[in-house]
Amino acid sequence: GAVVSQHPSWVICKSGTSVKIECRSLDFQATTMFWYRQFPKQSLMLMATSNEGSKATYEQGVEKDKFLINHASLTLSTLTVTSAHPEDSSFYICSASLALSSYNEQFFGPGTRLTVL
Amino acid sequence: KQEVTQIPAALSVPEGENLVLNCSFTDSAIYNLQWFRQDPGKGLTSLLLIQSSQREQTSGRLNASLDKSSGRSTLYIAASQPGDSATYLCAVKATDSWGKLQFGAGTQVVVTP
Repeated sequence: GAVVSQHPSWVICKSGTSVKIECRSLDFQATTMFWYRQFPKQSLMLMATSNEGSKATYEQGVEKDKFLINHASLTLSTLTVTSAHPEDSSFYICSASLALSSYNEQFFGPGTRLTVL
Repeated sequence: KQEVTQIPAALSVPEGENLVLNCSFTDSAIYNLQWFRQDPGKGLTSLLLIQSSQREQTSGRLNASLDKSSGRSTLYIAASQPGDSATYLCAVKATDSWGKLQFGAGTQVVVTP
């Protein structure tokens, strides 16, 4: 149980285009989903916290107009990187938390590798 | 602000040796601490989760201890195998963080046959 999937697993796009990444909880309902990015040889940095049916909460320094997050259902959250540039190339990982308590364990997706040319 | 540090950054051991990975955090007001494994280009696999009230957790060859007052956790992997080669991350969930995880930079482990 507690499986989280991401799609696509990797994507290559041209500079200036937008890319959408999906995060799904397959066998549970996730009230809260988290989006992280990871640069090579570095740790995960939280970008935003998304709660179903409400606006995402972004971490300091993360541009909310560039990284659009939508959590329209209890099993799906999407991250859209708008007008992507090479510096947005990174590994994006989502996680989902069970039930209503934000203190419950997070389950992580397999990640999406974004390369912007 | 919570800071999580993992030492060493990289570790290479021959097969069969025990592994000791360290994690330290600056704010002892944590809800829990979690150890993860990450293979190259992959997501995270949760290994062990220790609640703040616990001193240790065990799963197979893995044992993790937690000393909240000193801000330390140690992950022990007994009788290491080449398949244990990966990056190991620790993360803490602070009591006032609304459930957010703060990650360390990880320890990259190589177990040689």
